[in-house]
Amino acid sequence: SQTIHQWPATLVQPVGSPLSLECTVEGTSNPNLYWYRQAAGRGLQLLFYSIGIDQISSEVPQNLSASRPQDRQFILSSKKLLLSDSGFYLCAWVPRVTTGELFFGEGSRLTVL
Amino acid sequence: QKEVEQDPGPLSVPEGAIVSLNCTYSNSAFQYFMWYRQYSRKGPELLMYTYSSGNKEDGRFTAQVDKSSKYISLFIRDSQPSDSATYLCAMQDSSYKLIFGSGTRLLVRP
Repeated sequence: SQTIHQWPATLVQPVGSPLSLECTVEGTSNPNLYWYRQAAGRGLQLLFYSIGIDQISSEVPQNLSASRPQDRQFILSSKKLLLSDSGFYLCAWVPRVTTGELFFGEGSRLTVL
Repeated sequence: QKEVEQDPGPLSVPEGAIVSLNCTYSNSAFQYFMWYRQYSRKGPELLMYTYSSGNKEDGRFTAQVDKSSKYISLFIRDSQPSDSATYLCAMQDSSYKLIFGSGTRLLVRP
C-alpha cells in the first residue's frame, strides 16, 4: 500500500531563518505531488505541484520554493522566512490526476516568530 | 466572489442527529466533487467523491450534487462524537486542479 511521510511535524523558526520541509511517498512510482498551506481558519492554498523529477509548477508568488530531486521526494524550502509564512503545510499525492483523489501527509506546523 | 463558498461553522449537534454540510460554487466547469474530513492537527482524508449530479451513499454518509444549482451537500446520519472534525468540500476544474472550501467545523456532543 502507498504511504506518505512528512517531517518535521512541528517547528518554530525565527524570521529570516531558512526552511526545509520534506515529503516522501512510498509504494508508488511517478506520482503527482503537491504542497498546500492551510492558514488558521482558512482553506487549503495550493503552493506547488510536480508531475515529475525537476518539474515544478508554482501557483502563488512568494518567498517559498520547491524541489523534486527524486521521483518520490518533494521538498519545500525558503531562504528567509517571513511572519506570514506561519501555517500548516501539507504534502499530498494523487494516483490518478483526472479524479482529484488527493492523499495527504500528516502535515508540518510552522510557527515563525 | 470565491469560487467555492462554505460556512465555517462551528456546527454543534447532539449525538445521533442528522448533519447537513453544504458548499456552493460558481464555476460550472467543475466536474468532480469531493468531501474531505480533517481531524485537529492532522492532514485531510478523502471521505467521498462524486462525478455527476445525484446522490452517493457510503454507510452513514451521503454526498449530494446539484449541478443546476451549483450546490453540494454531505449528510451524516446517526452522528457520533468521533465525527467531530472539520469537513472540507473540494471541486476539480477542467485543468485538474482542486479548489477547496474553507471547511466547516463540526462538533457532535455526547
